[in-house]
Amino acid sequence: AQKITQTQPGMFVQEKEAVTLDCTYDTSDQSYGLFWYKQPSSGEMIFLIYQGSYDEQNATEGRYSLNFQKARKSANLVISASQLGDSAMYFCAIYSGGSNYKLTFGKGTLLTVNP
Amino acid sequence: KAGVTQTPRYLIKTRGQQVTLSCSPISGHRSVSWYQQTPGQGLQFLFEYFSETQRNKGNFPGRFSGRQFSNSRSEMNVSTLELGDSALYLCASSLGGGLYEQYFGPGTRLTVT
Repeated sequence: AQKITQTQPGMFVQEKEAVTLDCTYDTSDQSYGLFWYKQPSSGEMIFLIYQGSYDEQNATEGRYSLNFQKARKSANLVISASQLGDSAMYFCAIYSGGSNYKLTFGKGTLLTVNP
Repeated sequence: KAGVTQTPRYLIKTRGQQVTLSCSPISGHRSVSWYQQTPGQGLQFLFEYFSETQRNKGNFPGRFSGRQFSNSRSEMNVSTLELGDSALYLCASSLGGGLYEQYFGPGTRLTVT
């Protein structure tokens, strides 16, 4: 079985500051992928960033970066220069298993960016 | 390019009824996945369709079914509705299948009374 743990139900950050959202995972598969999604209050899930288990470099997409520490089984999301529009729920997810894959989401972290 | 559309956006049904939700993927996308989101269970994967074939399925009872048409549009059906089926149902499409860079629709909010 695979599992995602997001220990921060809510986080606050000041506009223009950086924030780290925690995600730890557990899987017995050697090959897997880690995703982060953003869900604004409108409900639509927005793909942010992806990290493969064999990728040696941390993934980056604009202001988003994924701090991947394989030995610690953590895949934290770092948002630099926070903006008011970053206020949303953030979900970490793990995918493994090839064609008959398993996909598991964390419970999410509600990020609030203060002006 | 139009995004993923889901209809209806809101739905109220009575326990025991059945419901059909619709999802139109982004033009050219052949994979459609469905998810259920509830406050208690969080976000859970239901199933994925690719080229009219169900390619993968999450851990849900047989009351949850789906299909995909030749134009890649997909429908999800829930029979014999239970109160616990009240949820936001999200659909996502991707170009080549799998989960990388899925694009999600706005969801259908189903309330079972």
